[in-house]
Amino acid sequence: DTGVSQDPRHKITKRGQNVTFRCDPISEHNRLYWYRQTLGQGPEFLTYFQNEAQLEKSRLLSDRFSAERPKGSFSTLEIQRTEQGDSAMYLCASSEGHPATNEKLFFGSGTQLSVL
Amino acid sequence: GNSVTQMEGPVTLSEEAFLTINCTYTATGYPSLFWYVQYPGEGLQLLLKATKADDKGSNKGFEATYRKETTSFHLEKGSVQVSDSAVYFCALSFMNRDDKIIFGKGTRLHILP
Repeated sequence: DTGVSQDPRHKITKRGQNVTFRCDPISEHNRLYWYRQTLGQGPEFLTYFQNEAQLEKSRLLSDRFSAERPKGSFSTLEIQRTEQGDSAMYLCASSEGHPATNEKLFFGSGTQLSVL
Repeated sequence: GNSVTQMEGPVTLSEEAFLTINCTYTATGYPSLFWYVQYPGEGLQLLLKATKADDKGSNKGFEATYRKETTSFHLEKGSVQVSDSAVYFCALSFMNRDDKIIFGKGTRLHILP
């Protein structure tokens, strides 16, 4: 078990370009979360999947953002027409069950996005 | 809405000092409470948790007690080490509602040798 992995670790893009990030959760985990973290702030919830179903989306997730988890395994987060305000660390996390019970949430190291 | 407020950092202490990082929450109901830690260059990881009032979570010498009457979950350690230098996040989640964890802004801790 290699933990939650995210790719790429860093992404620099120009404003207006599209970017896509990938997350590979721990293999037996059916829940997958995307968070965004900016400097000096805690992680902010973006969206959540249980298996392949996207069950909740934050109001932070504008229509330029889309996330998929097509086979209930890896997930992608795409940002279209990037803006400078999208610059942040994008975190992926997974768990086997509900994080409020005895199931830990495991985080990846994140993808740092810089929009120039 | 539901939220977590924690003391601003950075907090700088000498090795073997006593640590307290304050955390209070606002919630409609009784959430589960967590402390997560982010060591330099690593992803967030769960440090400890408590799921009901008066529960004490503990791990690696850290402790926090779920205080319903003061809506608090302060993190404490009796004797800190240089290796405890990290960013600490207080968080909450509800078991029977939505599945997300709500995080505070984080408190950066520097331990001087």
